[in-house]
Amino acid sequence: KQEVTQIPAALSVPEGENLVLNCSFTDSAIYNLQWFRQDPGKGLTSLLLIQSSQREQTSGRLNASLDKSSGRSTLYIAASQPGDSATYLCAVREPGNQFYFGTGTSLTVIP
Amino acid sequence: SQTIHQWPATLVQPVGSPLSLECTVEGTSNPNLYWYRQAAGRGLQLLFYSVGIGQISSEVPQNLSASRPQDRQFILSSKKLLLSDSGFYLCAWRGSLSYTFGSGTRLTVV
Repeated sequence: KQEVTQIPAALSVPEGENLVLNCSFTDSAIYNLQWFRQDPGKGLTSLLLIQSSQREQTSGRLNASLDKSSGRSTLYIAASQPGDSATYLCAVREPGNQFYFGTGTSLTVIP
Repeated sequence: SQTIHQWPATLVQPVGSPLSLECTVEGTSNPNLYWYRQAAGRGLQLLFYSVGIGQISSEVPQNLSASRPQDRQFILSSKKLLLSDSGFYLCAWRGSLSYTFGSGTRLTVV
């Protein structure tokens, strides 16, 4: 069964820093990988989706990379802002119907 | 465009009371729908998924049940809530490539 791990569980950085969130998965036979943001008490917002054939996706200050062979994805956030404070989740989709979620990284950006 | 609605946003229920959370999708037909739960400090756990009316698959045996009475309606229920049912419940719709999530229901069982 696919296992998705996110490290670190929590991260606190000063405003303006660049940071990297990590996601690893155990089975490289994935269909795609999706990064989400979750604000406290709110639903999930999709940030970036990377297909298994892609290496990276970019949206504004966010860049997500995928190394399928090694079972890793990273989410790079440039010039972090207090508004970036949230929990970030990665989810791996396997061919078929199933998504597997990591436990998330709680990010706090200090003004 | 497709939208997903989930309600209520928050709910406080006593132990032993029934539960009904509703999720509806607009702008698509025959969607694959999912119920997830997120307990405090833990990741998302898939509870149920449905590929069509009356078709429910349960991922985790528990105190909850799900129903799909209409194509774009997915309901999460319980006859008697337990304290351990507290958590954040998310409904999701799976498109051709990605997921779209509802805004969630914060359930507190007291």
